[in-house]
Amino acid sequence: AQKVTQAQTEISVVEKEDVTLDCVYETRDTTYYLFWYKQPPSGELVFLIRRNSFDEQNEISGRYSWNFQKSTSSFNFTITASQVVDSAVYFCALSGRDSNYQLIWGAGTKLIIKP
Amino acid sequence: SAVISQKPSRDICQRGTSLTIQCQVDSQVTMMFWYRQQPGQSLTLIATANQGSEATYESGFVIDKFPISRPNLTFSTLTVSNMSPEDSSIYLCSGARGGGVALVADTQYFGPGTRLTVL
Repeated sequence: AQKVTQAQTEISVVEKEDVTLDCVYETRDTTYYLFWYKQPPSGELVFLIRRNSFDEQNEISGRYSWNFQKSTSSFNFTITASQVVDSAVYFCALSGRDSNYQLIWGAGTKLIIKP
Repeated sequence: SAVISQKPSRDICQRGTSLTIQCQVDSQVTMMFWYRQQPGQSLTLIATANQGSEATYESGFVIDKFPISRPNLTFSTLTVSNMSPEDSSIYLCSGARGGGVALVADTQYFGPGTRLTVL
């Protein structure tokens, strides 16, 4: 069975600090997809990144970076020089044949950036 | 990507009534989904909306309570029937262009959600 664990329920940092959100997954599939979504207080879900299991290169997009490590089944998300606008709930999700390609969601991490 | 709109954005309803939520996507998508997100929780898939046929419901969700229609590729509705306070949640629809024979999962893009409060 597939599972996504986001062990950090809530993280609070001061603006400009770097912060890493952890995501650990379980799957029997050899081909699978990992996602990160952001949910600001307004409630909409904003897609951030999609990564397939054969692409282990780390990704950087502005202040955001993702570290995918198959050896530890982790897909961690780092925000550099955090800003108040980064305050949101962040969800990690997994999709694969084992779930008929439906999204398996983590519990989410609430990130609070204090000014 | 796909731009997805939902309406209403929020509503306050009385126990025992029904509410229909509309979801419109701006381009043709293969897959459309409906989710429920209870306060402070993660997302739970209610059903996959299939064009021109009955929706595929997940365990714990039934058609009588959550009837879904999808008359074409770009539009779907979810009705929350005979509501109780336990139905107070955010309801989200999503769309993706993946699926079909290849079963390759494409990215799901989400609507802004409908915040439902049942008194």
